[in-house]
Amino acid sequence: GAVVSQHPSRVICKSGTSVKIECRSLDFQATTMFWYRQFPKQSLMLMATSNEGSKATYEQGVEKDKFLINHASLTLSTLTVTSAHPEDSSFYICSARDHGTGGDNEQFFGPGTRLTVL
Amino acid sequence: GQNIDQPTEMTATEGAIVQINCTYQTSGFNGLFWYQQHAGEAPTFLSYNVLDGLEEKGRFSSFLSRSKGYSYLLLKELQMKDSASYLCAVSDSNYQLIWGAGTKLIIKP
Repeated sequence: GAVVSQHPSRVICKSGTSVKIECRSLDFQATTMFWYRQFPKQSLMLMATSNEGSKATYEQGVEKDKFLINHASLTLSTLTVTSAHPEDSSFYICSARDHGTGGDNEQFFGPGTRLTVL
Repeated sequence: GQNIDQPTEMTATEGAIVQINCTYQTSGFNGLFWYQQHAGEAPTFLSYNVLDGLEEKGRFSSFLSRSKGYSYLLLKELQMKDSASYLCAVSDSNYQLIWGAGTKLIIKP
């Protein structure tokens, strides 16, 4: 199956700093990428849908100025958590949809990034 | 509104069979997915159903009834490594995934 990578896998930062998380589709072109957030023992919460070459579509309640998303190419999307605070500590997961396959609309997930804000 | 329901937790014995149910109400339907998620890891794809019926893949099978808004994931010959959360997700009319809260499956020896 298609492979999606995320970097870094784990990051610890101080409150007030910004953190950038990269999501790459390694062997396919992803017109659409999704960013999720997951709290312990809870399901995934969709934060935003990222389309290559256009602005991301944010879900209700997600601050677009705090969670900056850039989908600059068909294989790379980045999520920047600006002025991070302890409440931003979470597991962030990206996924990508391989439009090249046609057929089903499976999303392929990255391994996730564990963010801890001190 | 859109809603996905699945049990919070289930317990089963190693070697046995377990069925995890999922019911859904969504705006549009473009398929139902089952994912497995181990603690601290991202979800991994298990199955995809878009037509009614049973899809079998090794020890795992998934069933869908669109008229009833119902699916189940069947796990046979349970192994300890099957202890994980199992997430049901429906692709809606916009092809976005609507997620259930997940079912934590505990396997006992």
